[in-house]
Amino acid sequence: DIQMTQSPSSLSASVGDRVTITCRASQSIARHLNWYQQKPGKAPKLLIYAASNLQRGVPSRFSGSGSETDFTLTISSLQPEDFAVYYCQQTFNTPPWTFGQGTKVDIK
Amino acid sequence: EVQLVESGGDLVQPGGSLRLSCAASGFIFSGYWMHWVRQVPGKGLVWVSHVDSDGSTTNYADSVKGRFTISRDNAKNTLYLQMNSLRVEDTAVYYCVRVNPVCYGRRCYYGMDVWGQGTTVTVSS
Repeated sequence: DIQMTQSPSSLSASVGDRVTITCRASQSIARHLNWYQQKPGKAPKLLIYAASNLQRGVPSRFSGSGSETDFTLTISSLQPEDFAVYYCQQTFNTPPWTFGQGTKVDIK
Repeated sequence: EVQLVESGGDLVQPGGSLRLSCAASGFIFSGYWMHWVRQVPGKGLVWVSHVDSDGSTTNYADSVKGRFTISRDNAKNTLYLQMNSLRVEDTAVYYCVRVNPVCYGRRCYYGMDVWGQGTTVTVSS
């Protein structure tokens, strides 16, 4: 199975900060990479699909980049509602479609 | 409104069985792949199982293979997860998830775009 490794595991940031989260795949997955946001007690929400495509309704301060094995989620200006846990997920070929371990973004 | 509503979560003893259901509404259920994803409270997301749109193809995580069975009834707009030989480590919130393919020519990308609210399975003696 393809392993997904996110870094950092957690970070502290202030409102207005630029935040970057990275995700590395154990083998090439082309651009088959999604990003999700999860708030406490809620189901995850799809933010980015196909590495860089913004899901409908997601604010443009979220962006994704990368291909093959290295990917990045960037929040250009962190807002109060962005404090959450973020997960990457690979969807290369047939399942299993594995998730990264998550990155918790909290308030500095 | 597009919606997925899970049910069936419960407290069960190790070795027991449980069947989860997921009722879909607001979209053409038979047109979508469906998945189950689980999460131990405070921990990360773990993919569990997948079924294609007509139920002919299924996949499972190694940790549940041979014990769990995913199925669907497109006439009832319902997804199922039959869970047998349950273990303490199966304790988690189980989410029903829709996958929406976006295709550019022959290349398709799959995002999990609709999630249920989750149902809690607790395996304990």
